[in-house]
Amino acid sequence: GAVVSQHPSWVICKSGTSVKIECRSLDFQATTMFWYRQFPKQSLMLMATSNEGSKATYEQGVEKDKFLINHASLTLSTLTVTSAHPEDSSFYICSVSDRGRQDTEAFFGQGTRLTVV
Amino acid sequence: AQKVTQAQTEISVVEKEDVTLDCVYETRDTTYYLFWYKQPPSGELVFLIRRNSFDEQNEISGRYSWNFQKSTSSFNFTITASQVVDSAVYFCALSEYYTGANSKLTFGKGITLSVRP
Repeated sequence: GAVVSQHPSWVICKSGTSVKIECRSLDFQATTMFWYRQFPKQSLMLMATSNEGSKATYEQGVEKDKFLINHASLTLSTLTVTSAHPEDSSFYICSVSDRGRQDTEAFFGQGTRLTVV
Repeated sequence: AQKVTQAQTEISVVEKEDVTLDCVYETRDTTYYLFWYKQPPSGELVFLIRRNSFDEQNEISGRYSWNFQKSTSSFNFTITASQVVDSAVYFCALSEYYTGANSKLTFGKGITLSVRP
């Protein structure tokens, strides 16, 4: 069964509004979650590393005030795209990491397709 | 810095043909993990294989096989007797070893494979 649940799977929003995407770890305690972004026909690019109980670490070029990450529990991380604009339209996908299960693959959510109109 | 190069962007084959997807990587780490993922049109990432850098044994799983050549920094993926259901985008990825196999991944640009009936 699914190890990671990401919600919603798709969302359409108006320009200027905010959108929240949830990433839930179903099988284990996720001390770390990663958020990736994939533009159409492009690769997946890491946006930020979300650590439970502490501030997220953002990759170079990713605006932390625009992409708010909250990892308040060991099973849930949220990514909020604030004041979304059409150029934020993309596929967002999370992956989870558990330090107790290092010798396995990264578990990915189903992804969220965001369209800003 | 880590880098993954998938020089092929699109490959089209006829069903039952064999096809090899190339992956070349760069890393300064002496130990690391390599992955292949499949991304069907629905968008989710389907895990195919993880290989750690000190295990150079080739692997076969059904119609899939992987050839890891540390000397040339390559981790190629072969699909034997391809099927229409194999049509998807395939990503090769690299992660640091010391932070665990499910740490943040560096992805290649992906190869779009189309298998025609």
